[in-house]
Amino acid sequence: QVQLQQWGAGLLKPSETLSLTCAVSGGSFSGSYWSWIRQPPGKGLEWIGEINHSGSTNYNPSLKSRFTISLDTSKNQFYLKLTSVTAADTAIYYCARNGPGRTGFGPWGQGTLVTVSS
Amino acid sequence: DIVMTQSPLSLPVTPGEPASISCRSNQSLLHGNGNNYLDWYLQKPGQSPQLLIYLGSNRASGVPDRFSGSGSGTDFTLKISRVEAEDVGIYYCMQDLQIPPYTFGQGTKLEIK
Repeated sequence: QVQLQQWGAGLLKPSETLSLTCAVSGGSFSGSYWSWIRQPPGKGLEWIGEINHSGSTNYNPSLKSRFTISLDTSKNQFYLKLTSVTAADTAIYYCARNGPGRTGFGPWGQGTLVTVSS
Repeated sequence: DIVMTQSPLSLPVTPGEPASISCRSNQSLLHGNGNNYLDWYLQKPGQSPQLLIYLGSNRASGVPDRFSGSGSGTDFTLKISRVEAEDVGIYYCMQDLQIPPYTFGQGTKLEIK
């Protein structure tokens, strides 16, 4: 079955760039949208954005344009980039597959804790 | 954005007893195709969220049948027929009708008495 494995730098200084990778295995990259979701410590879930196999993206309008989601179909990987991080970006970041026909997010990656501190 | 509101926010339950969580949206999640675009997730302590219910009432693969989802339009309910110790965690509802963005409820923390 489809599995997602994610990784990236866990400690950043303010104004640096966050870069995360999510690798998809056990299934086809095409036919689905792939999302990034974050969770500040002790708080709820916030959807960041999504990408499909063609590179078409949608983002959360409330998060403005600091986020960029991209993909490499040859590697079955998709990526999240966030520029000019601040302490408010401290969170666990998850990648997840959007179920076809909007049937929910699953599976999810294991999560990456990103801490922004000077 | 569609706003999702859950209640209660904290739910202490005795093992073997039933539990119920409410989720309300400020706009109808009923599509013209008859589907309600409402999902339920469980985030167990220290784990990633996992999908329980999609399209309002469909159990995801591997989800025990003690979990059920119901409701339509703006009012939805997640029911656990007999709570087990492994059901502890935070339950979230999420709408995926009007996107972007997908929006989540605040979460309901279920704990064992």
